[in-house]
Amino acid sequence: KNQVEQSPQSLIILEGKNCTLQCNYTVSPFSNLRWYKQDTGRGPVSLTIMTFSENTKSNGRYTATLDADTKQSSLHITASQLSDSASYICVVIYFASGGSYIPTFGRGTSLIVHP
Amino acid sequence: DTAVSQTPKYLVTQMGNDKSIKCEQNLGHDTMYWYKQDSKKFLKIMFSYNNKELIINETVPNRFSPKSPDKAHLNLHINSLELGDSAVYFCASSSFGNEQFFGPGTRLTVL
Repeated sequence: KNQVEQSPQSLIILEGKNCTLQCNYTVSPFSNLRWYKQDTGRGPVSLTIMTFSENTKSNGRYTATLDADTKQSSLHITASQLSDSASYICVVIYFASGGSYIPTFGRGTSLIVHP
Repeated sequence: DTAVSQTPKYLVTQMGNDKSIKCEQNLGHDTMYWYKQDSKKFLKIMFSYNNKELIINETVPNRFSPKSPDKAHLNLHINSLELGDSAVYFCASSSFGNEQFFGPGTRLTVL
């Protein structure tokens, strides 16, 4: 069964600190993996998209890694800011028979950054 | 201009009523989606349309019926609303297989 597991479920850190969020998946056949940020009351916004051959991708203070062999990804946030407080969702896309791309969502990690 | 827009933003209604949520995208994408986000913040895909054709239809009650009049619109009609339908519904669009852009969400409350 295709699943995406994220950890931790929630995380509280102080402003300026770094943190790392984890994503493990069993989705197959793999197409790509995405990290989304969802602010309270808003729709998710894409942070990074990674394909099978990519190990690391950065977007400002956000750096995502992918190990396709172990089916693990991480999102590292550097020098956290109050505006980083949000839910971070890992989404793995697989290519289904019939030619469609199916997204499988993790349950997200809720990050709270305190001043 | 909003890339993916939904109306209404809030919808409060009685059990048993029929309601619709509208979605429009001006990004020229060929694929549109409907998601349901429950109280525990878990996003679950409901439907996906590619070029006005249904390509994903997850296990949802047949009280939910998507309608795509053209590539830029994907509306969600819900019959005989139940308490368990209360959630936030998100519309999204993408070029097939690429990054999805989400709308602001519609918070549905069934009383």
